[in-house]
Amino acid sequence: QVQLVQSGAEVKKPGASVKVSCKASGYTFTSYAMHWVRQAPGQRLEWMGWINAGNGNTKYSQKFQGRVTITRDTSASTAYMELSSLRSEDTAVYYCAREISGYCSGGSCEGGPMDVWGKGTTVTVSS
Amino acid sequence: EIVMTQSPATLSVSPGERATLSCRASQSVSSNLAWYQQKPGQAPRLLIYGASTRATGIPARFSGSGSGTEFTLTISSLQSEDFAVYYCQQYNNWPRLTFGGGTKVEIK
Repeated sequence: QVQLVQSGAEVKKPGASVKVSCKASGYTFTSYAMHWVRQAPGQRLEWMGWINAGNGNTKYSQKFQGRVTITRDTSASTAYMELSSLRSEDTAVYYCAREISGYCSGGSCEGGPMDVWGKGTTVTVSS
Repeated sequence: EIVMTQSPATLSVSPGERATLSCRASQSVSSNLAWYQQKPGQAPRLLIYGASTRATGIPARFSGSGSGTEFTLTISSLQSEDFAVYYCQQYNNWPRLTFGGGTKVEIK
């Protein structure tokens, strides 16, 4: 079955970086895009960025531009999200989520809704 | 950035009753609107996309409507497993995707 398996919880100190992995199975990894979304305690979901797993193109939220890097390893069917210069406000659950197949709107076929989600990775930033 | 506002924040409903959740966008998002369900400790689950299309495997008691700036998610007859938080998300303004603040549906 289609699933996304994320790496385990992380505890980091302020100023450090964290890299979260998301291993896909049950579908052709390069045929779908992948989003990264986070949720701080008691807060709404927050979109961070996106990668086209086929060609590696990325898009990032302006809020995280310069601090977030999303990559993929097609041989391992795995996407990665690295967030640098961590601060306490980055404490959150980080999710990877597959973009729905065949989405196109207004001449663009990027940035559609997310139909399969990983279980989330808790990142705690504390001194 | 398009701001998504959901109301009410909490909705108390008895099992078997209808629940109506609202989502408003600060500017038009056409029909590029999705609804997700999230239970405690779990990832979100896609329910509706394109404002009114049910995702694969979603029961028919879930329906979505609206376009432009006003959207509604209706759960026709609440089941015990439907008590959760529901989020709307616009994907019209790429790459500035935004989510609403959520509506918690609780047992009355």
